[in-house]
Amino acid sequence: DIQMTQSPSSLSASVGDRVTITCRASQGISNYLAWYQQKPGKVPRLLIYAASTLQSGVPSRFSGSGSGTDFTLTISSLQPEDVAIYYCQKYNSAPLTFGQGTRLEIK
Amino acid sequence: EVQLLESGGGLVQPGGSLRLSCAASGFTFSSYAMSWVRQAPGKGLEWVSGIVGSGGSTYYADSVKGRFTISRDNSKNTLYLQMNSLRAEDTAVYYCAKRAIVGTTKGAFDSWGQGTMVTVSS
Repeated sequence: DIQMTQSPSSLSASVGDRVTITCRASQGISNYLAWYQQKPGKVPRLLIYAASTLQSGVPSRFSGSGSGTDFTLTISSLQPEDVAIYYCQKYNSAPLTFGQGTRLEIK
Repeated sequence: EVQLLESGGGLVQPGGSLRLSCAASGFTFSSYAMSWVRQAPGKGLEWVSGIVGSGGSTYYADSVKGRFTISRDNSKNTLYLQMNSLRAEDTAVYYCAKRAIVGTTKGAFDSWGQGTMVTVSS
């Protein structure tokens, strides 16, 4: 099975900072990569699919890139409401594995 | 508006069984693949099982294969997860999730239910 590894596991940044989270697949998955945001006590929310396509309603400060095995989620200017855990997920074929998550906090 | 409402969670003893339901509305249920995803307390997301729109193909994580069965009743717009031989490590919030693209298993999860808590303990 393909493993999904995120880095870092946690991250602290200041409001307005540019933040980057990476996700690596143990084998190529083309662009079948999604990013989710889960705020404390809330349900996960789809941010990006197909590695770089922004889900409707998601602020444009979020962007994604990558293909094959290496992917990134970037927040261009961190806002207080972005405090959350971010997960990547491969969805090309079962098992639809998630990364272990990246906890993002405000410094 | 898409709505997914899980039910059926609760406290069960190790070795016991439980059936979860997910009532769907706001979309053509039979046209979309669905999945169950769980989250143990304080832990990350774990995909559990998936089923295509027709119900003709099902998929499982190794951790639940042979113990859990996913099914759907398209006439009732409802997704199910039958959980047998439950273990303490199955304790989690269970979410149902809708795939984003009609008629394919290639979509991400664009809608999630609020989740139902399953606790396996004696």
